[in-house]
Amino acid sequence: AQSVSQHNHHVILSEAASLELGCNYSYGGTVNLFWYVQYPGQHLQLLLKYFSGDPLVKGIKGFEAEFIKSKFSFNLRKPSVQWSDTAEYFCAVNADGNEKLTFGTGTRLTIIP
Amino acid sequence: DARVTQTPRHKVTEMGQEVTMRCQPILGHNTVFWYRQTMMQGLELLAYFRNRAPLDDSGMPKDRFSAEMPDATLATLKIQPSEPRDSAVYFCASGLGLAGYHEQFFGPGTRLTVL
Repeated sequence: AQSVSQHNHHVILSEAASLELGCNYSYGGTVNLFWYVQYPGQHLQLLLKYFSGDPLVKGIKGFEAEFIKSKFSFNLRKPSVQWSDTAEYFCAVNADGNEKLTFGTGTRLTIIP
Repeated sequence: DARVTQTPRHKVTEMGQEVTMRCQPILGHNTVFWYRQTMMQGLELLAYFRNRAPLDDSGMPKDRFSAEMPDATLATLKIQPSEPRDSAVYFCASGLGLAGYHEQFFGPGTRLTVL
């Protein structure tokens, strides 16, 4: 079965700082990878997804993620964060052909104005 | 703008009471998921359905939880009897269930508090 690790539990940054949130998964086969964001008091929304092709994926709100197969990683990045990026970020994976998503424990991001 | 809807948004109940949570998936989506979110466990998949049939409910405590889809526009999650440890946010999500396309769209959640 697949699993997902997000090692950063809480990240605090100042506005305009660069962001990188780690995500590692364990599964030996083909995977689909996702980053979801949950703003305070809201539901999960998809930021970006990787199914195949270019391992550098661009999502909404200036976010991007890079799939590095050799490292089993799918880190989320943003060159310059804004206060409105304060939220919880979840990495998720499913094995290709299986709709079940396995989520990481999430990373709480706090942006200081 | 198609969205997954969930009712109620908040529920406070006493231990031992029955709780029913409802979800309306996005029209045309044939796959429905139920998740539970807690501080300790994060997001856990409880059960999911394709074309109204349960595909996997291995994440659900069988003795007190039940999930059904009476029709294509309604999914329900029941807890009977409820316990304080069931306090959590319960999310429903829906998807198209197409091979190679696995995006899930989440509802706003039901925040359950069992006293």
